[in-house]
Amino acid sequence: AQSVAQPEDQVNVAEGNPLTVKCTYSVSGNPYLFWYVQYPNRGLQFLLKYITGDNLVKGSYGFEAEFNKSQTSFHLKKPSALVSDSALYFCAVKNTDKLIFGTGTRLQVFP
Amino acid sequence: NAGVTQTPKFRVLKTGQSMTLLCAQDMNHEYMYWYRQDPGMGLRLIHYSVGEGTTAKGEVPDGYNVSRLKKQNFLLGLESAAPSQTSVYFCASSYPGYMGETQYFGPGTRLLVL
Repeated sequence: AQSVAQPEDQVNVAEGNPLTVKCTYSVSGNPYLFWYVQYPNRGLQFLLKYITGDNLVKGSYGFEAEFNKSQTSFHLKKPSALVSDSALYFCAVKNTDKLIFGTGTRLQVFP
Repeated sequence: NAGVTQTPKFRVLKTGQSMTLLCAQDMNHEYMYWYRQDPGMGLRLIHYSVGEGTTAKGEVPDGYNVSRLKKQNFLLGLESAAPSQTSVYFCASSYPGYMGETQYFGPGTRLLVL
């Protein structure tokens, strides 16, 4: 069965520092992987996805993610964090017609 | 272009009452989904639909029913609400085979069952 895991409930980072939010996956076949962000009292917003091709995927708001097949990971990264990046981040994997979401990682960026 | 909208935004129910949550999308998407979000559990799929007139069960379907009579609308019903159904409910839609089937989410409905 397809699944994703987000091993960290919360990530804290100082503004201006690089950030990483981790995601590992377990799939049969080629994975379709997604990152979504949720700001307080809002729905989820699509950030980026990996379907095929270049392992480094660039998305919205300066975020990028690196697909690593050997480590079965799809970590979300940003070179320089902003306080406004503070939100809940979800990794997801496509499973036939559905998405399977991780439990989410809360990112807190401190000034 | 409103995207995905949900009605109502917030509702309080007593145990045993019924209600219907409405999801509407104006993007001509074939697929629609209902999720619930609970602390520490991420999003869990309740029911979904791959086209008008079709529905299928997701991960946590018990206690919920759905209908997709029109392509643009997806209704989620609670026949007899229970406190365990207190949650935030999100609707999403996507177009099959397009852009890797990125899902677009509504703003959510916060439901409290007393």
